[in-house]
Amino acid sequence: GQQLNQSPQSMFIQEGEDVSMNCTSSSIFNTWLWYKQDPGEGPVLLIALYKAGELTSNGRLTAQFGITRKDSFLNISASIPSDVGIYFCAGQEFDSSNTGKLIFGQGTTLQVKP
Amino acid sequence: NAGVTQTPKFQVLKTGQSMTLQCAQDMNHEYMSWYRQDPGMGLRLIHYSVGAGITDQGEVPNGYNVSRSTTEDFPLRLLSAAPSQTSVYFCASSYVATNEKLFFGSGTQLSVL
Repeated sequence: GQQLNQSPQSMFIQEGEDVSMNCTSSSIFNTWLWYKQDPGEGPVLLIALYKAGELTSNGRLTAQFGITRKDSFLNISASIPSDVGIYFCAGQEFDSSNTGKLIFGQGTTLQVKP
Repeated sequence: NAGVTQTPKFQVLKTGQSMTLQCAQDMNHEYMSWYRQDPGMGLRLIHYSVGAGITDQGEVPNGYNVSRSTTEDFPLRLLSAAPSQTSVYFCASSYVATNEKLFFGSGTQLSVL
């Protein structure tokens, strides 16, 4: 099946710093998504991207759908301690019955030092 | 509004034991699914359902069974637990099968000794 490569695997940054992470795929997706998982909880959707080249923001978070449709990027500006968690990219693919399935990246673990 | 509820939160099994992980949603979602999360592997789809009475296999279905007798419930059964099934399990649902906006439960941490 398809695989997503997410990098970096982990980041340890100082509060106030900007963060960038990315996700690449061997195949194209029509939808890219970014989820965040707080410690001890399930992932929560942050941003959904539907069109190649699309740039979407959610507060201090900005994500982009790559032009090739094989990659996506997430930036977090001015990090704060509550940004701690695991960030997952996901691409959506459809089977022959039009059922959508999400393929997830390995995750980027973010730690923020106050 | 409870959303997606998973029980138990933690479970320890011995090799060969069976158990059922429970998942219930109160949002009238058609689509429900089970994922497992392992370090460095992300989230991998085990089984999914597009409606009551309909289930299908995901990426890693071996060793697991599911059923969907009602819209609300989607239990995951481990028939004979193995150490390789030690993982964190997440149930997720969405309004329809084409909807990318999955709502996740808080997870079940399972250890098989």
